[in-house]
Amino acid sequence: EPEVTQTPSHQVTQMGQEVILRCVPISNHLYFYWYRQILGQKVEFLVSFYNNEISEKSEIFDDQFSVERPDGSNFTLKIRSTKLEDSAMYFCASSVREGNQPQHFGDGTRLSIL
Amino acid sequence: QQQVKQSPQSLIVQKGGISIINCAYENTAFDYFPWYQQFPGKGPALLIAIRPDVSEKKEGRFTISFNKSAKQFSLHIMDSQPGDSATYFCAAGIQGAQKLVFGQGTRLTINP
Repeated sequence: EPEVTQTPSHQVTQMGQEVILRCVPISNHLYFYWYRQILGQKVEFLVSFYNNEISEKSEIFDDQFSVERPDGSNFTLKIRSTKLEDSAMYFCASSVREGNQPQHFGDGTRLSIL
Repeated sequence: QQQVKQSPQSLIVQKGGISIINCAYENTAFDYFPWYQQFPGKGPALLIAIRPDVSEKKEGRFTISFNKSAKQFSLHIMDSQPGDSATYFCAAGIQGAQKLVFGQGTRLTINP
């Protein structure tokens, strides 16, 4: 069964450094998402991406965050200057279409900011 | 108004019993209600989903009950097994939008 793949599984970064989280969505999916989950808390929406542009974003997704689809398979989340509170699990998801369509999640990247 | 409230926070059920997790929402624009199962170290995996035009959906041992007037929906796991021990999240989405709004999660433990 096709799956969403995320790398790395764990990223440790010094505060203030830039970090790039990578995702390979399911190949025939057109909508891509990033969510985060702070330890012990609920999953929170960050951003959705379609047709090479952001289609929706939350208030968490401020100017420190950016997303990109640099080629036909990868989808990345960049945090420019990491803060301690950015420490969380970051999940990539993809879906065939928007709206009421199943979103398939990767296993996440654990980001630890020191 | 975008919140989804989930209860209980944790639940312990004996093997073979029925596990029930409840969610409530305020925004009547929500029209898609999935449940996700998450094992430690893994991402959320879609378990079952319902739309508001039906009151119940069953897939194997998993059933969603939906009460549109009360703005509540619940997950029932029949004949609960130790392998069902995981964290369960309800979520809600809106037609034409992209994001899912998640509940706080329920840590389910099935005792053998």
